[in-house]
Amino acid sequence: GQQLNQSPQSMFIQEGEDVSMNCTSSSIFNTWLWYKQDPGEGPVLLIALYKAGELTSNGRLTAQFGITRKDSFLNISASIPSDVGIYFCAGGSYNTDKLIFGTGTRLQVFP
Amino acid sequence: GAVVSQHPSWVICKSGTSVKIECRSLDFQATTMFWYRQFPKQSLMLMATSNEGSKATYEQGVEKDKFLINHASLTLSTLTVTSAHPEDSSFYICSATGTGPTYSNQPQHFGDGTRLSIL
Repeated sequence: GQQLNQSPQSMFIQEGEDVSMNCTSSSIFNTWLWYKQDPGEGPVLLIALYKAGELTSNGRLTAQFGITRKDSFLNISASIPSDVGIYFCAGGSYNTDKLIFGTGTRLQVFP
Repeated sequence: GAVVSQHPSWVICKSGTSVKIECRSLDFQATTMFWYRQFPKQSLMLMATSNEGSKATYEQGVEKDKFLINHASLTLSTLTVTSAHPEDSSFYICSATGTGPTYSNQPQHFGDGTRLSIL
């Protein structure tokens, strides 16, 4: 099935560093969502974006819906060990209930 | 709010067995539920979309006779893996969206997944 391109594929950073990851698509989306998945669990919604250009924060997390509607980024500031996990972007469209998921970014934080 | 419960969380069974997985929305009515499969170190792949009271819509390549989906109420959907074989071993995750005027206001909320191991 279709997937969104997400980069980087993995990141190894030190505690306290900022993190940036992005998601790109060849087609436009009306909704961009960012999820975090811990090992052996389901994804948890972090941020939902509904409008091109929208910039939304959730604590140390900030995400933006790209103006072209074909991309989105997620920033994590001052990373902590519990930020470890896999981050997925997902794109949605008005004409379908389905989400298209990104390939995931695996984040590892070292103390 | 928006809690989705999935049961069981872990199943080990013999080849040829049928396995049922339940997905419940605990604090909202889920008009649509989704079933995904996730292999190790990979992303989520949608298997089927299930609307309450109607037949599920399966993604290309997913065998509807093997993966039976029932969405009998606004809070419960079930996935039955019939005559499971080792290649069906995977992490199965459901998600649900609630009622609302447009999709864009209703993000999917996920259950904790079911790890299925077929021996």
